[in-house]
Amino acid sequence: AQSVTQPDIHITVSEGASLELRCNYSYGATPYLFWYVQSPGQGLQLLLKYFSGDTLVQGIKGFEAEFKRSQSSFNLRKPSVHWSDAAEYFCAVGVYGNKLVFGAGTILRVKS
Amino acid sequence: GAVVSQHPSRVICKSGTSVKIECRSLDFQATTMFWYRQFPKQSLMLMATSNEGSKATYEQGVEKDKFLINHASLTLSTLTVTSAHPEDSSFYICSAQLAGGSYEQYFGPGTRLTVT
Repeated sequence: AQSVTQPDIHITVSEGASLELRCNYSYGATPYLFWYVQSPGQGLQLLLKYFSGDTLVQGIKGFEAEFKRSQSSFNLRKPSVHWSDAAEYFCAVGVYGNKLVFGAGTILRVKS
Repeated sequence: GAVVSQHPSRVICKSGTSVKIECRSLDFQATTMFWYRQFPKQSLMLMATSNEGSKATYEQGVEKDKFLINHASLTLSTLTVTSAHPEDSSFYICSAQLAGGSYEQYFGPGTRLTVT
């Protein structure tokens, strides 16, 4: 069955430090992959998506993600974190029926 | 572009009453809308898929008679929680897909339901 694993429940980084959030997926077909961000009490905002082509995708707010088929991974990165990046991040895979299956989320804390 | 609104943002209702939540795509047509439920500190759980002009498809374990979904137009879907109980208290989020299909979903800001 399709699933998404985000191994890190919480991550704390210092402002200005680099960030990598991990995401592994399990899906039999070619995956459509997404990263969303959610601020407390808010809906989800799309950061970036991968459908095909270049495996390194650029998103909004300076984020990027790299699709690695051999590792079934789609890790999210940012070279320099800002305090406003503190939020919860969700990785998702598109599955049959145009649905999305979400990971459990990773809460990012940024310390000054 | 691709803005989705939800109304109300917060609602408190008494046990046994029904409450309706609206989800609107403001600047695009959405043939498909999705309803999710999110418990505190947890991920989103898909409740149902709503297609304009047809019956909603519910995920396993979701009571269709309790969570009534109507998708009467290409810009509006509603979720009605009937005979609400305290355990229905949750954060409900809708999303919409552009007509013409792709997996990309645009999310509303969510509705916090509290049943007393």
